[in-house]
Amino acid sequence: EVQLVESGGGLVQPGGSLRLSCAASGFTFTTYAMNWVRQAPGKGLEWVSGIGASGGSTYYADSVKGRFTISRDNSKNTVYLQMNSLRAEDTAVYYCAKDPGFQPLLYSAYWGQGTLVTVSS
Amino acid sequence: ENVLTQSPGTLSLSPGERATLSCRASQSVSSNYLAWYQQKPGQAPRLLIYGASSRATGIPDRFSGSGSGTDFTLTITRLEPEDFAVYYCQQYGSSPPFGQGTRLEIK
Repeated sequence: EVQLVESGGGLVQPGGSLRLSCAASGFTFTTYAMNWVRQAPGKGLEWVSGIGASGGSTYYADSVKGRFTISRDNSKNTVYLQMNSLRAEDTAVYYCAKDPGFQPLLYSAYWGQGTLVTVSS
Repeated sequence: ENVLTQSPGTLSLSPGERATLSCRASQSVSSNYLAWYQQKPGQAPRLLIYGASSRATGIPDRFSGSGSGTDFTLTITRLEPEDFAVYYCQQYGSSPPFGQGTRLEIK
C-alpha cells in the first residue's frame, strides 16, 4: 500500500525557514517523480514544486521560485521541501503527492495527509 | 501559463440527479493532459480522471470525463450522498495549474 507521510510543518515568523519532509513507502521510490501541492485555508489547490525520480530535474511555481528548494534522498525514500524567506501568503496545508512516472508535472493518484505551515508573527 | 476556469462555482443538486462540471482552458491542453480530483473537507484530493477520460483505479463508473482542446467536462450520473464535495480540474505536463474548483452541494 502506498503511503506518504508529511512532517515538519508548524508556526514560523515571516522571513523564517522551515523544512518539510515526506516519507514514502509501499512503492519503488527511486522510479517515481514527486510533487508538493499546497492549499491555503479555504482556498483551492496550488502546485508548488516537483522533482524527477533521480532528483536531476526540479520545477517550481513562480510564487516560490528562488525561495523554496525541493530535493530527495532516494536512500531514505524521502522528499523534502526547504522553504526560506517565508511570507504570510505561504500559509497553507502542504501535501506531498506521487506522480505516475519518472518525470514530474503529471497527475497524482497518491497524496499524503498534509502538514500545516503557518507564517505569522 | 494555461489558465483553467471551472464553472459553475457552486452547483446545487439532489441525490440521484446528474451533475455536469465544466473546465475551460485558456489554451489548448496538449495530449488531453487533463485530470479531475475530488476533495472533501479535511481530506487530501482524490484522483478521479486522468487523460481527460480515463477513470483512476477504484473510481465508480458513475464518474466520467470528456472533452478535448480547451473544453472539458466531468459528469457524475446518479449523485450519491458521498459525491458532494469540491472538484478540481488540473492541466498537467507543464507547470500544472489547477482550476479554482466547483463546489457540489446538496440542494
